[in-house]
Amino acid sequence: GAVVSQHPSRVICKSGTSVKIECRSLDFQATTMFWYRQFPKQSLMLMATSNEGSKATYEQGVEKDKFLINHASLTLSTLTVTSAHPEDSSFYICSAEKAGGPSYEQYFGPGTRLTVT
Amino acid sequence: QKEVEQDPGPLSVPEGAIVSLNCTYSNSAFQYFMWYRQYSRKGPELLMYTYSSGNKEDGRFTAQVDKSSKYISLFIRDSQPSDSATYLCAMRILTGGGNKLTFGTGTQLKVEL
Repeated sequence: GAVVSQHPSRVICKSGTSVKIECRSLDFQATTMFWYRQFPKQSLMLMATSNEGSKATYEQGVEKDKFLINHASLTLSTLTVTSAHPEDSSFYICSAEKAGGPSYEQYFGPGTRLTVT
Repeated sequence: QKEVEQDPGPLSVPEGAIVSLNCTYSNSAFQYFMWYRQYSRKGPELLMYTYSSGNKEDGRFTAQVDKSSKYISLFIRDSQPSDSATYLCAMRILTGGGNKLTFGTGTQLKVEL
């Protein structure tokens, strides 16, 4: 199998605070992890690509100082939403690509629903 | 024009029907094609992936790719209420394009009893 977990599954925070979301590959090593956000009834929007041991690559329009990504090990990446605002409320999903495998599929976590009040 | 176009639906079919879900794309560099299923408020689950033109079958699911027409399909046979979900196509360039996936908007499917 290829299981990816996320923690927390839901979080409510006050405007101006920071929130950290963890993404873990449980039964495989992932050199690359991806962070997406998804608005209701819309597709996934890639925010950034995170490679283990190096700086994340952010998509155009995504503020790197607001969405801090750390990929400290082959099984863990974190996304920190700093100084959160209500417009940051969304469904955040991570995915992981297996290291060294012959194929290129990404395995997704269950998502984290962030609500900023 | 979006790189990947997918009808958002919703698509409603009776139980047991054959479902056809489709995506078209404009970038001929795409070489790797995937279908994901996403239940409400959950992360996407990989259903199938394929590199080449032609058909690939897995149980009740068949993925079809026509690179000359830039068109991919997912067929679901004997559809069940548990198949009700949003289906997302995704594709990527294998060399020189990084490892970024480009998704369609997803088609919402409802299989009714």
